[in-house]
Amino acid sequence: AQSVTQLGSHVSVSEGALVLLRCNYSSSVPPYLFWYVQYPNQGLQLLLKYTTGATLVKGINGFEAEFKKSETSFHLTKPSAHMSDAAEYFCAVVPGSGNNRKLIWGLGTSLAVNP
Amino acid sequence: NAGVTQTPKFRVLKTGQSMTLLCAQDMNHEYMYWYRQDPGMGLRLIHYSVGEGTTAKGEVPDGYNVSRLKKQNFLLGLESAAPSQTSVYFCASTVRAAGGNSPLHFGNGTRLTVT
Repeated sequence: AQSVTQLGSHVSVSEGALVLLRCNYSSSVPPYLFWYVQYPNQGLQLLLKYTTGATLVKGINGFEAEFKKSETSFHLTKPSAHMSDAAEYFCAVVPGSGNNRKLIWGLGTSLAVNP
Repeated sequence: NAGVTQTPKFRVLKTGQSMTLLCAQDMNHEYMYWYRQDPGMGLRLIHYSVGEGTTAKGEVPDGYNVSRLKKQNFLLGLESAAPSQTSVYFCASTVRAAGGNSPLHFGNGTRLTVT
């Protein structure tokens, strides 16, 4: 079965430090890839997505992610964390093949930003 | 532009009571979804709809029913609430797109407690 793995359910960084949130997926065919962010007491909103083309994708709030087919990864990064980045981050994948091309969610990574 | 609106925002039910959660979207989206979010379990799909008058089961449909009588509204019903249904419920919508590369738009959630 297709799956999405987010390494680390909790990540803590200092303000100004690099943010790296990891996402790996299982799919033999390149899928569509998404990162969503959920701020406290809110719904999820799209950060960025990869469908085709350039493998480095830029999103909102200074985040970016790189699709690496050989590593089946789509890690999310931001060069310098801000206090306002504290939130839950979800990686999601639509498999590239098969009859049931529904969105598959990772379990989420909670990002804490320390002053 | 309201986007996706969920009502109510909070609700407390006693075991065995029934209720309906309402989701309304003003973006003319074809697809609508109901998810539940529980700590450590990410998002799980309850039911979804690919158009007015159609509904389908997701991963965890037991104990829930849905209806999509109008394109803009997607109702989630609990006929006999159980403590296991204590959760945060999210509605989402998206346009119809081949391959599933359209992002989801989420409401702000309904926090339900069943005692």
